[in-house]
Amino acid sequence: DVKVTQSSRYLVKRTGEKVFLECVQDMDHENMFWYRQDPGLGLRLIYFSYDVKMKEKGDIPEGYSVSREKKERFSLILESASTNQTSMYLCASSLSGDYSREAFFGQGTRLTVV
Amino acid sequence: SQELEQSPQSLIVQEGKNLTINCTSSKTLYGLYWYKQKYGEGLIFLMMLQKGGEEKSHEKITAKLDEKKQQSSLHITASQPSHAGIYLCGADEYNFNKFYFGSGTKLNVKP
Repeated sequence: DVKVTQSSRYLVKRTGEKVFLECVQDMDHENMFWYRQDPGLGLRLIYFSYDVKMKEKGDIPEGYSVSREKKERFSLILESASTNQTSMYLCASSLSGDYSREAFFGQGTRLTVV
Repeated sequence: SQELEQSPQSLIVQEGKNLTINCTSSKTLYGLYWYKQKYGEGLIFLMMLQKGGEEKSHEKITAKLDEKKQQSSLHITASQPSHAGIYLCGADEYNFNKFYFGSGTKLNVKP
C-alpha cells in the first residue's frame, strides 16, 4: 500500500521557534511537495522537490525552507515561526514522466503557533 | 502558473439528490485530478483525466473533461452522507511536475 507519512498530526509551537515538519514516502517517487491549506484559500504550494537536493519555490515560499537529503524524505522548516503560519500542512509525492502522475498525500499536520 | 477555479464553494444537498462540481482552468490541462478530503485529514485520490472528452466513473461519482481540456465536472448521483467532505481538483504542469489545486468545494449531505 502506498504511503506518505507526516511526523505529527498536531503541533503547537511558540512564536520565534524553529519548526521542522517531516515527510517520508515509501514509493520511490521523484517529486515531493509541501502545501499549506487555509479556509477559503485552498491548497497553496510552498515548495517542491523533483530530486534529491533539488528544490523549487512554489507560490508562497516566504518564511519557509526545505531540505531533501534522501529521496524518501522531504522536510519543511519554519525558520522563525509566526502566528500567521498557523495552518494545516500537507505533504505529497508523485512520479515523474509521461504516465499517470497523481499525487499521494500524507494525513496532514495541523500546526498552531502561539 | 496554473489557475484552477472551482464552483460552487460549498454545497448542501439532501441525501439521494444529484450534484455537480465544476473546475475551470486558465490553461489547457495536461492532467486533471479529482481528490476528496475528509475534514482535517489528507487527500484521497479519486480520478485522473487526461484526454479531451474523457469520462471516468467510480461507484456513484463520474468525472468528465471537456474537449478543449480546460474544464472538468464531477457529478455525484444519489448522494449519501459518506460523500460529505471537500472535493478538490488538481492539475500538473507538463514541464515542471508542479501540482496545483482549486480552492475546493465543501459538500454536506443531509440525511
